[in-house]
Amino acid sequence: SAVISQKPSRDICQRGTSLTIQCQVDSQVTMMFWYRQQPGQSLTLIATANQGSEATYESGFVIDKFPISRPNLTFSTLTVSNMSPEDSSIYLCSVGPFQLAGGSYEQYFGPGTRLTVT
Amino acid sequence: GQQVMQIPQYQHVQEGEDFTTYCNSSTTLSNIQWYKQRPGGHPVFLIQLVKSGEVKKQKRLTFQFGEAKKNSSLHITATQTTDVGTYFCAGQVNKLSFGAGTTVTVRA
Repeated sequence: SAVISQKPSRDICQRGTSLTIQCQVDSQVTMMFWYRQQPGQSLTLIATANQGSEATYESGFVIDKFPISRPNLTFSTLTVSNMSPEDSSIYLCSVGPFQLAGGSYEQYFGPGTRLTVT
Repeated sequence: GQQVMQIPQYQHVQEGEDFTTYCNSSTTLSNIQWYKQRPGGHPVFLIQLVKSGEVKKQKRLTFQFGEAKKNSSLHITATQTTDVGTYFCAGQVNKLSFGAGTTVTVRA
């Protein structure tokens, strides 16, 4: 299993500014992911954070807007750049898969960062 | 691209009753996962189904994976107030694609 912490837990930011969100895992993990969950909505994958190389972004998300760092196997950051009110959302770090007894796999989510842009 | 549809969006249940939420994928999945998100919380993994026709039970929760590995269901029996939250399915091909979720409220 894995315990994930995120900082900050929430923030209120002004439009045009940037916020960096940190994700710390208590064990080394190969795969780390960043998701966005807009209010009352489902989860959308932003990117896969790759250790030692550039992140892999999903359609609709670009590096200039959401730069990601992954300096080691336990830590990653996501920056939300030049924010607008449309960026108000919960940003979640996720790690996995971890193999369980019986052969299935499990994915874990951090507690999330609730961002409000005014 | 890969899409996962989930219905119903909302389920208002009388305590003690049963309900089912359904997921449908446009493509054949390698596996499907189910998560529960309590109000104000983050998604918590419930289960993963991998095999065609697989059925797994966790106490009052029964999960099924269709024969074609394109659909899945979660059935909860004897609903309790602790079942309140949003249940997401997430289908995996290369990446996880989440359904819209079923938000469950329970009336005592």
